[in-house]
Formats: sequence, structure tokens, C-alpha cells
Amino acid sequence: GAGVSQSPSNKVTEKGKDVELRCDPISGHTALYWYRQSLGQGLEFLIYFQGNSAPDKSGLPSDRFSAERTGGSVSTLTIQRTQQEDSAVYLCASSLAGVQETQYFGPGTRLLVL
Amino acid sequence: GNSVTQMEGPVTLSEEAFLTINCTYTATGYPSLFWYVQYPGEGLQLLLKATKADDKGSNKGFEATYRKETTSFHLEKGSVQVSDSAVYFCAQDAGGTSYGKLTFGQGTILTVHP
Repeated sequence: GAGVSQSPSNKVTEKGKDVELRCDPISGHTALYWYRQSLGQGLEFLIYFQGNSAPDKSGLPSDRFSAERTGGSVSTLTIQRTQQEDSAVYLCASSLAGVQETQYFGPGTRLLVL
Repeated sequence: GNSVTQMEGPVTLSEEAFLTINCTYTATGYPSLFWYVQYPGEGLQLLLKATKADDKGSNKGFEATYRKETTSFHLEKGSVQVSDSAVYFCAQDAGGTSYGKLTFGQGTILTVHP
């Protein structure tokens, strides 16, 4: 079956604009994660959705970042008023429910804020 | 807090050489440990994992043993190939309130020459 897909694959935006990044998890996976990969910070956890539970937002770097997951499937990560330091690759992953389940990663969205 | 420290690269080897990439972790509990690999132009893929002390994860000729006494999970391969050239990430899922949040090391770039 299909893996995790993300769109767009690349996004260039101007400082101050809002952007939306999309993630389609593997069908049947109830857990969904967002990470950020940047040169200075490496790979960082951002947010985690599990089923109908309230998301774990503890990794979001500021209130400009938000995410939602509609119908327990597709997720959108929104960055408002983008800053140059938001430039990074944003990775989405999904997994089955349960402890110690493997996370499967998408190809990422490369965001460049000019 | 939970963290992962891995050997800084880049690592350059000749084909058929022995590979070791060191990884140590700090965690308050008993984490699950992972090695992920990122081939050029591709997304993160799980290479192997171990979920409890003394477990050995293995895949594609790579091995890593979960050593609780030394808090380590070193990656080894007896004979590397050019196709192993990639970035390798050690990661942990500390479980408990941190369940689902993978904490990654900085990544080690491996280049294998013919």
C-alpha cells in the first residue's frame, strides 16, 4: 500500500506569509506525528495526534505553529507569519496505535522563507 | 531530560570496511531505541530497533545491541557497500509521558567509496 505522503514537496514563501503543509498518513494508522529537520537543530518533535485524544503539542516552537487532523486521517500543519528561522524540512510520520509501534515517515516538505 | 548523542561525522570508508557508529542515550525510564537511515533524496526509513535491554536489532547486515549498563545502542556492519552511503540517525522513544515523541541524535553522514 501507499506510504505517508506530504504536499507540497517544496514551498518558497516570503517572510510574514502563512503556509499550510499537508500530510496523508498510511491508511489505518491512528497515530500521526510532525517533526522538523533543520541544520541548526537537527530533527525535532513538533506535535503528536493519537486517535480522538487531545494532541500533544509540547514540541511546537511558538504560537505561530498549529496543526489539526480532520476525520482522524489527513493532517495540516499551519505556520502563521512565517520567519526565516522557520526554514526547514517538515516531516510527517504515522504509526499504528500501541506502545513501541514503528513510525513511518513521509518524504517531507522543504520550506524556504525568504 | 531525554537525549541522544551520536558519533559526529562525516565517516568515510572504503567498500568492505567495518562500520561502527556510536550512539548513547539519556532517559529517565526504559526507552525503545531505533536507527533510522536517510538515503540521498529519500525520506527517513527505519533501519532497526530494539525495545528492551540486551535486545539486538538487525537488518540489511546492520546490527545494534541495546546495552542498558552503558546506555548505548551502537550501529555496526561488518562489510559496508557503496549503497550504504546515507545519513544515519539514532533515536529513542522514552515512553511514559514522552511516548510517541522520538528524540533523535544529530545524524552521522556515511560515505562509502568503491
